[in-house]
Amino acid sequence: AQSVTQLDSHVSVSEGTPVLLRCNYSSSYSPSLFWYVQHPNKGLQLLLKYTSAATLVKGINGFEAEFKKSETSFHLTKPSAHMSDAAEYFCVVSDRANDYKLSFGAGTTVTVRA
Amino acid sequence: AAGVIQSPRHLIKEKRETATLKCYPIPRHDTVYWYQQGPGQDPQFLISFYEKMQSDKGSIPDRFSAQQFSDYHSELNMSSLELGDSALYFCASSRGGARDTQYFGPGTRLTVL
Repeated sequence: AQSVTQLDSHVSVSEGTPVLLRCNYSSSYSPSLFWYVQHPNKGLQLLLKYTSAATLVKGINGFEAEFKKSETSFHLTKPSAHMSDAAEYFCVVSDRANDYKLSFGAGTTVTVRA
Repeated sequence: AAGVIQSPRHLIKEKRETATLKCYPIPRHDTVYWYQQGPGQDPQFLISFYEKMQSDKGSIPDRFSAQQFSDYHSELNMSSLELGDSALYFCASSRGGARDTQYFGPGTRLTVL
């Protein structure tokens, strides 16, 4: 069965410093992996996705993630945090064993300090 | 670019009442998904439709039903509402079934008093 573990429930960074959100996944098949962001009282916005092409995936707003099969990880990074990055981030996995249903991680809350 | 539209955005109901949530997918998307997100929780899959047929079912209560219409919009009907049904309900859409990326709507916040 597929599953996702987000290793940090809360991350606090200073504006202008790097952001790292850690995600490990479990999947029996070649997974598709996604990062979604949810701002307060807003819907889920797709940041980026990995679907077996390049292992380094670039997304919107300066975010990128690297798929590492040997480590079963899909960590999200951004070189310089902005105040507008304060939000909840979800790592999501899907694979054909689960009929491509999305499995969400528990989420990581990002706080950005001025 | 056009996004998923959900209505209403906010809904307040009393216990035991009924509610209907609507979802309009991105144009040319034929697959619709419904999720429920409780306070401080990750979204939980409820049900999905592909080409107007139910394609998958998750943890949807028997009190809830849904369908997808000929224009591909979908409605989630919720009856005998309970306090625990208070949540954010998301609709997502994709093209060509579950293998395609799901794009989420802004959600409907349901409050049951």
